Amino acid sequence: AQSVAQPEDQVNVAEGNPLTVKCTYSVSGNPYLFWYVQYPNRGLQFLLKYITGDNLVKGSYGFEAEFNKSQTSFHLKKPSALVSDSALYFCAVRDRNYGQNFVFGPGTRLSVLP
Amino acid sequence: EAGVAQSPRYKIIEKRQSVAFWCNPISGHATLYWYQQILGQGPKLLIQFQNNGVVDDSQLPKDRFSAERLKGVDSTLKIQPAKLEDSAVYLCASSEGTSDEQYFGPGTRLTVT
Repeated sequence: AQSVAQPEDQVNVAEGNPLTVKCTYSVSGNPYLFWYVQYPNRGLQFLLKYITGDNLVKGSYGFEAEFNKSQTSFHLKKPSALVSDSALYFCAVRDRNYGQNFVFGPGTRLSVLP
Repeated sequence: EAGVAQSPRYKIIEKRQSVAFWCNPISGHATLYWYQQILGQGPKLLIQFQNNGVVDDSQLPKDRFSAERLKGVDSTLKIQPAKLEDSAVYLCASSEGTSDEQYFGPGTRLTVT
């Protein structure tokens, strides 16, 4: 069965600094990988996905993520954080070869300090 | 384009009562998902439909939860009878296909007392 780990419950970063939100996954086959963001009092929103091809994926709001098969990781990054990036971030995975189950990680709360 | 619609937005019931949630996905989206999000946790997939057929309901507590998607469009999720541990936000999402990004509705916050 697939699983997702987000090792940090909380990440704090100063505005203008680079940010990284970590995600590692476990699947039997090859993964589809996603990042979603949840702003306060708003629904989950899609940020980016990795299906196949280039390991560096670019998404909405200047975010990007790098797929690393050997480390089974899909860390979310942004070169310069904004206060408005403060939100709850979820990594998610689906095994493209086995079953349909879509699994979300527990989430990482990002706080960008002015 | 209209987003995923859910109703009601909030519901408070007593344990052992029943409750139903409704979801209308984005037009043309074949895949529909129901998730349970308990406070402080990530969403947990309850059931996934492809058109009007179920493709995954392995985590749906079938003794009390049921869901249907008649005509492959809107969907209802029912809990009968509710337990205290069912208190959560119930999210509906839709996508064009199973490898595509999901679009989420605002959710229904259920409180069971």
